[in-house]
Amino acid sequence: GAVVSQHPSRVICKSGTSVKIECRSLDFQATTMFWYRQFPKKSLMLMATSNEGSKATYEQGVEKDKFLINHASLTLSTLTVTSAHPEDSSFYICSAREGLDYNEQFFGPGTRLTVL
Amino acid sequence: GQNIDQPTEMTATEGAIVQINCTYQTSGFNGLFWYQQHAGEAPTFLSYNVLDGLEEKGRFSSFLSRSKGYSYLLLKELQMKDSASYLCAIMDSNYQLIWGAGTKLIIKP
Repeated sequence: GAVVSQHPSRVICKSGTSVKIECRSLDFQATTMFWYRQFPKKSLMLMATSNEGSKATYEQGVEKDKFLINHASLTLSTLTVTSAHPEDSSFYICSAREGLDYNEQFFGPGTRLTVL
Repeated sequence: GQNIDQPTEMTATEGAIVQINCTYQTSGFNGLFWYQQHAGEAPTFLSYNVLDGLEEKGRFSSFLSRSKGYSYLLLKELQMKDSASYLCAIMDSNYQLIWGAGTKLIIKP
């Protein structure tokens, strides 16, 4: 199957700093990328959907100024957590889809963010 | 509203069979997915059902009844490595995945 990479896999940062997470589709062009966060023992929560070249669509309750998403190319999307706080500590997972309608979503390995 | 229900946790014995159920009510339906997620890792795709019936793939099978809003994932010949969370997800009318909370499956020797 298609491969999605995510970098970094783990990051620890101080409160107030910003952290950028990259999501890349390695062998296909991702028309759409999704960003999720997951708290321990909880299901995936969709944060935003991004289509290449357009602004991301954020889910209700997700602050777009805090979680900046850029989908600059068909193979790269970035999530920047700005002015991180301890409550932002979570597992962030991206996924990518090739087509506009049904297509399997391919998940990145996730990024564990810990804010001290 | 949208709702996906699956049991929180199940326990089964190595070598046995287990069925994980998922019921749903969503705005539109473009298919149902099952994913496996080991602790600390991203989900991995197991199956996709869009028509009623049973889809078999090795030790794993998935069933769908659209009229009942019901699906199950059947795992046969359980192995210790099958200990994981199993996530049911519905693709809604906007082609977005709506996720269930997941079922933690514990396999005992």
